[in-house]
Order: sequence, then C-alpha cells, then structure tokens
Amino acid sequence: DSGVTQTPKHLITATGQRVTLRCSPRSGDLSVYWYQQSLDQGLQFLIQYYNGEERAKGNILERFSAQQFPDLHSELNLSSLELGDSALYFCASSVGPGPKYFGPGTRLTVT
Amino acid sequence: SQQGEEDPQALSIQEGENATMNCSYKTSINNLQWYRQNSGRGLVHLILIRSNEREKHSGRLRVTLDTSKKSSSLLITASRAADTASYFCATELNAGGTSYGKLTFGQGTILTVHP
Repeated sequence: DSGVTQTPKHLITATGQRVTLRCSPRSGDLSVYWYQQSLDQGLQFLIQYYNGEERAKGNILERFSAQQFPDLHSELNLSSLELGDSALYFCASSVGPGPKYFGPGTRLTVT
Repeated sequence: SQQGEEDPQALSIQEGENATMNCSYKTSINNLQWYRQNSGRGLVHLILIRSNEREKHSGRLRVTLDTSKKSSSLLITASRAADTASYFCATELNAGGTSYGKLTFGQGTILTVHP
C-alpha cells in the first residue's frame, strides 16, 4: 500500500460527459502528479501540483483540468469525453524529487 | 512524449534465470528510477540511481547508469514467478527547470517468469 488513494476505481461513462477523479496523497507529501496510461501512448505526464499551485504541465488536453485543495487532495476533471480518453489515470505523490508513490489508479471507460 | 526507449519490449525467462532490461534516454537527468507494475495496478518504485552514480544494488536488483551513453540497465537476479510484471524506467530532469520533480517514463518491458 503506497498510502496514495484514488477514487473511483472504475468509471464508465458516455462520450460528451464530464467526470472528476480524486486523489489523496501520502501524508506529508506536497507534490501531486497526474499520469495517463493507455496502450498506444504509454504513461504520459499530465500535470503536477505543489502545495496548491500548478508546478508543471505535460501534454494535458484543454478539456482536462486539475486542482489541488488546501488539504492537499487533488482532483482531475475530464470534460467532453471522447472514446480516446479511455485509459488508466494515476495519481502519484512525493515530498519532492526522488521516488514517487503511485495510487492504484482509476480505470476510465468512455462508451 | 516518451523520454526514451526500453528494450526488450518483452522478455520471457525461466525461474532462477537472470533478467536484464535496458533503457535509453535523451536529455540530461538528475536521476533515473525503475518502477514495477503488476497488470493494471499502480506503479511501485524499485530503485533510484543519481546521475553521479554508476551502479546501485538493492536485494536482487542491480542498476547501472552510463550518462555518456544516456542509458541504464536493470538486472534482476535469480528471478521468481512473482517477478512477472512490467518494468519501467523513468527519468527526472535536472533541478531548476519547470519539469523538476516530474517523471518521464519509457515504454516498459513486460517480463514473464515461468515457474
């Protein structure tokens, strides 16, 4: 158990819909990272927050947004969903540079 | 985009044999890390090697880093069926840039260890 929790575990939704994925980092970790894993793209970095502020951005679509709240949990919002958004979404946390602790992921299926 | 390439893409061995996976990357790094992922589960950190280190050991794992060739290898000795998983290398770039702290992953190697 990494200490990082993600909800929900599975999500099935239709094209055009909007969903919110939630992540609670390990106690004491200020950095939260979001990754998308798909068969064709592999593990892609989406966005990083550090203590409530956006720190780095990857190839995150404009339809996707995220935030980190004062209690350090983070949410990833995916809107206008397309079939190609079906993937595993992972959240990871860390104190800073070095090892990252990954949550179990949310499997999103868009039908 | 992926930082680098891993090879082989898939590796099938017998229990007790050694498994070697290679990773190449493109830019200057702060450290390189290896992660393991069991099918559809979260990634688990295995080992980290800093850019000024050449070799590191942890249990049955041995990692080497050649910064001149921008490559790393992960050796798992005396493999077990429970080692069956996907293995990913990930690079963390140098401090000071906006990418500081984030990881860039390779495509991974699928390791199957037959009992």
